[in-house]
Amino acid sequence: AQSVTQLDSQVPVFEEAPVELRCNYSSSVSVYLFWYVQYPNQGLQLLLKYLSGSTLVKGINGFEAEFNKSQTSFHLRKPSVHISDTAEYFCAVSDLNTDKLIFGTGTRLQVFP
Amino acid sequence: DTGVSQDPRHKITKRGQNVTFRCDPISEHNRLYWYRQTLGQGPEFLTYFQNEAQLEKSRLLSDRFSAERPKGSFSTLEIQRTEQGDSAMYLCASSLGGTGDLEQYFGPGTRLTVT
Repeated sequence: AQSVTQLDSQVPVFEEAPVELRCNYSSSVSVYLFWYVQYPNQGLQLLLKYLSGSTLVKGINGFEAEFNKSQTSFHLRKPSVHISDTAEYFCAVSDLNTDKLIFGTGTRLQVFP
Repeated sequence: DTGVSQDPRHKITKRGQNVTFRCDPISEHNRLYWYRQTLGQGPEFLTYFQNEAQLEKSRLLSDRFSAERPKGSFSTLEIQRTEQGDSAMYLCASSLGGTGDLEQYFGPGTRLTVT
């Protein structure tokens, strides 16, 4: 069975500062990895995904993530955040047979002016 | 492409009542998923369909929960004899499935409050 751990429940940061949101996963088989963002009162939107190939994945809104198989991590980064990036971020792993998503508990990114 | 829609967006019900939610996926998507999200938690998988066939159900889906996708298009999720513990956001998602895309597109959710 797969599982996802997001160690940081909240990450406060000032505008234009860099940010890293951490995600570690556990799985006995190969997985696909995703980051979703949830703005208040909205559904989840895909930021980026890792299926195979290059371990550095670029997504929307200037976000990127790096897949590290040896450390079973898929951390999300942005070099300079905006106020509008304030949201809840979820890391997820996919079951290859059904592609159902298993989510972490989320990290709330709060960007201050 | 109008996206995934869910109805209603909010539902308040009294304990013991039955409720039904509807999800309309993106039209060409053959896979449809239901998730439940409680406060401070990530979404948890409930069940999924490929076309009209329900292929997997989570142990979270007790006997009081039933989901259908009768014509392989929209889906309904019914909760019978609601309990306060059922209060949550119920999310629907759809995907092309099996095409290599793997992206699930989420609807805005139905927030259920059981009083």
